[in-house]
Amino acid sequence: AQTVTQSQPEMSVQEAETVTLSCTYDTSESNYYLFWYKQPPSRQMILVIRQEAYKQQNATENRFSVNFQKAAKSFSLKISDSQLGDTAMYFCACNGGSNYKLTFGKGTLLTVNP
Amino acid sequence: GAGVSQTPSNKVTEKGKYVELRCDPISGHTALYWYRQSLGQGPEFLIYFQGTGAADDSGLPNDRFFAVRPEGSVSTPKIQRTERGDSAVYLCASSPGGAGGPKETQYFGPGTRLLVL
Repeated sequence: AQTVTQSQPEMSVQEAETVTLSCTYDTSESNYYLFWYKQPPSRQMILVIRQEAYKQQNATENRFSVNFQKAAKSFSLKISDSQLGDTAMYFCACNGGSNYKLTFGKGTLLTVNP
Repeated sequence: GAGVSQTPSNKVTEKGKYVELRCDPISGHTALYWYRQSLGQGPEFLIYFQGTGAADDSGLPNDRFFAVRPEGSVSTPKIQRTERGDSAVYLCASSPGGAGGPKETQYFGPGTRLLVL
């Protein structure tokens, strides 16, 4: 079983600045995967970035990067050069082992201000 | 190419009625997932299909929820005797279902918002 905790219900950032969203997790699996999904008002969940737990190197996708601290079970998302289109709910999620189902946190509403 | 589609986009029904949802996954994806997202919450897992069979239905809350995928493509879950607590957004996702396993990207549809009055 997995649990995912996002302790920041809402955050805001000025356009072009950098923001970090926090996530902690717990899992009994030895091999697991962590994800950040974005959900704009259209409701469609879009994958932002994925991290495989056995890889020490932090994943990066353009302006999005993660800080994966395995011992602390922490998986934060950094958004650089924030854009207005980044405004959305952001969900941290985990799955692992032979378990395909994703366990999501409660989400963080990010607002990028002009 | 076409993404995951879900119909209807919105559904309003009365308590006690029967509703049916529909998900068309990405063509060729053998894995299909259903999640339920209540207001202010993250999605919660309901059921996972690999091909025609339900590989994991541990998230179904009770026997009023029933889902099949007879031809391994479209999925049409049904909710019998709806209750107000069933009001939520129902999200469908699909993934290739190959050797990628749990690390496969799940591609989500836009969801069906169900309101039970």
